Amino acid sequence: DAGVTQSPTHLIKTRGQHVTLRCSPISGHKSVSWYQQVLGQGPQFIFQYYEKEERGRGNFPDRFSARQFPNYSSELNVNALLLGDSALYLCASSFEPKGQVHFGNGTRLTVT
Amino acid sequence: QQQVKQSPQSLIVQKGGISIINCAYENTAFDYFPWYQQFPGKGPALLIAIRPDVSEKKEGRFTISFNKSAKQFSLHIMDSQPGDSATYFCAASHNNAGNMLTFGGGTRLMVKP
Repeated sequence: DAGVTQSPTHLIKTRGQHVTLRCSPISGHKSVSWYQQVLGQGPQFIFQYYEKEERGRGNFPDRFSARQFPNYSSELNVNALLLGDSALYLCASSFEPKGQVHFGNGTRLTVT
Repeated sequence: QQQVKQSPQSLIVQKGGISIINCAYENTAFDYFPWYQQFPGKGPALLIAIRPDVSEKKEGRFTISFNKSAKQFSLHIMDSQPGDSATYFCAASHNNAGNMLTFGGGTRLMVKP
């Protein structure tokens, strides 16, 4: 069975640009969450979506936004990129909002 | 505000030894405590998890010990193997927060042959 898949795997952007990251959850999973992992640190929660509705938001600026589609896949958008946005962005899925959380391998974003 | 503190930051253990990683939390509303294992270039993989209604959970060589009164929990890896060399993260969440996990800072484990 396919796990959580994310695309692209790596991305290089310039400061001020916009980026869209994509995630497909495990088949049958309806909840998707996004995390940011800065090198050497634990993941930080950004958003959770369930049944296309936002169910939670972490302490991130409004430059970060996300959405979930009818097929439960999700996009994370970041506007006006800053150097500090360079990180591994992880998508996670679960069957329901309180279920076991399974992570993808992430998108490595580098902002220059 | 770091709500989950993890120690040590790094750990070196001989093959066959016991690896012990500790975490302490502040939010008494937390009611789900998973441990994740992460290899370089990969996402975190769920290893084992515990809820506060039990004090210990064992799965193979991995054991979680939980002390609710002290607000601490730990991961024990028995018979540590070189293949266990990875970064380990403890995490916590509470019933009203869905799967919004708060992670510790991570422990880099190296098991020497």
